[in-house]
Amino acid sequence: GAGVSQSPRYKVAKRGQDVALRCDPISGHVSLFWYQQALGQGPEFLTYFQNEAQLDKSGLPSDRFFAERPEGSVSTLKIQRTQQEDSAVYLCASSLPGLDFSGANVLTFGAGSRLTVL
Amino acid sequence: AQSVTQLDSHVSVSEGTPVLLRCNYSSSYSPSLFWYVQHPNKGLQLLLKYTSAATLVKGINGFEAEFKKSETSFHLTKPSAHMSDAAEYFCVVRGSGGYQKVTFGIGTKLQVIP
Repeated sequence: GAGVSQSPRYKVAKRGQDVALRCDPISGHVSLFWYQQALGQGPEFLTYFQNEAQLDKSGLPSDRFFAERPEGSVSTLKIQRTQQEDSAVYLCASSLPGLDFSGANVLTFGAGSRLTVL
Repeated sequence: AQSVTQLDSHVSVSEGTPVLLRCNYSSSYSPSLFWYVQHPNKGLQLLLKYTSAATLVKGINGFEAEFKKSETSFHLTKPSAHMSDAAEYFCVVRGSGGYQKVTFGIGTKLQVIP
């Protein structure tokens, strides 16, 4: 597609429920990032994929958070047993890597999935 | 390791006056630097990027930024603020090499007073 697509745009969950957030990156984009943006804060890194390989998951706040990208395109961020502190906008971004793995390529962001945990 | 520091969490300017949003970075490698803007309830939009070409970078909507390696800074400027510039601005650093980690600053909220 033309841009990064995220679904659902809005999700309300009861505390303890599991949720799954989907990201459809731009076709051909190798790199995929997930960020968590709490209200009034900047995006905080969660995890990074290059193709299907999860190269960095150091930002995942707990083992309740899990991300996958099994075929190197669509990615799913899953949050188990949601807590109120999980309420945030979850942003997905994708980009091409540079041929020399330079960081020059721009991240294109999706509109985000706003999760509210009651 | 890399990091980004946005020195001001809030900046307030009058319409028609210059804008300066400050950003300092640290990176082990030659980084790429970006400024993104986020309007309320909207997605992140790229304003401009620096990728080791010209040190003065021009972006959209009249914004520009100057990369100063000696000062490890990448401040964002605009000669004359417009009401539509009111938004949150994020300075972003991306490393190079096998893993191009992307790090955001905490953001600067720009208020434009009529």
